[in-house]
Amino acid sequence: DTGVSQNPRHKITKRGQNVTFRCDPISEHNRLYWYRQTLGQGPEFLTYFQNEAQLEKSRLLSDRFSAERPKGSFSTLEIQRTEQGDSAMYLCASSPGGPSYEQYFGPGTRLTVT
Amino acid sequence: AQKVTQAQTEISVVEKEDVTLDCVYETRDTTYYLFWYKQPPSGELVFLIRRNSFDEQNEISGRYSWNFQKSTSSFNFTITASQVVDSAVYFCALGGAGSSASKIIFGSGTRLSIRP
Repeated sequence: DTGVSQNPRHKITKRGQNVTFRCDPISEHNRLYWYRQTLGQGPEFLTYFQNEAQLEKSRLLSDRFSAERPKGSFSTLEIQRTEQGDSAMYLCASSPGGPSYEQYFGPGTRLTVT
Repeated sequence: AQKVTQAQTEISVVEKEDVTLDCVYETRDTTYYLFWYKQPPSGELVFLIRRNSFDEQNEISGRYSWNFQKSTSSFNFTITASQVVDSAVYFCALGGAGSSASKIIFGSGTRLSIRP
């Protein structure tokens, strides 16, 4: 399978716990994006990487959120001290270049904070 | 600011009918990109089409066609002879160039239900 993969697919956690999600992009893609999608809404941009550099973060990304992309390959998104409002689908996408290229999305990680 | 509006929240049609999904966008960029994505019940977003702001030619791909009109800032999507497998949420999206080049702004989506 050469598509974008995300793990885990589902995560249930208690409020206050930390969670980490992983995204493996399409191998030749140098750009990697994180989005959040809540029920009935379109995906909202969180952050993106070009290779290992994190170049932009949305205001949606509070200081409880951190993302990394060591070595420019896979990426992790960590949420510390989770809150119920963090419950959402977290989507990862990758693309081979800038804005003229389409982004290919993974299946997402559904987070439920109880 | 960039914005995408999909005014139709839900559409339901009978199989084989034609259906058009509307998309209106706002941007100050002169170079920008428009996209349509499909999100079936399985949840994974599937890329359908990309259009750049300098190419207003309509495009047809099988039963799918897209009408891009800069004068009305619209990028509408038509499915001809709809099928049950077309049932999904469809998102229109806008990508910019320059300072807004890093992300895609999605509309809120249109849920399309095709009844047999």
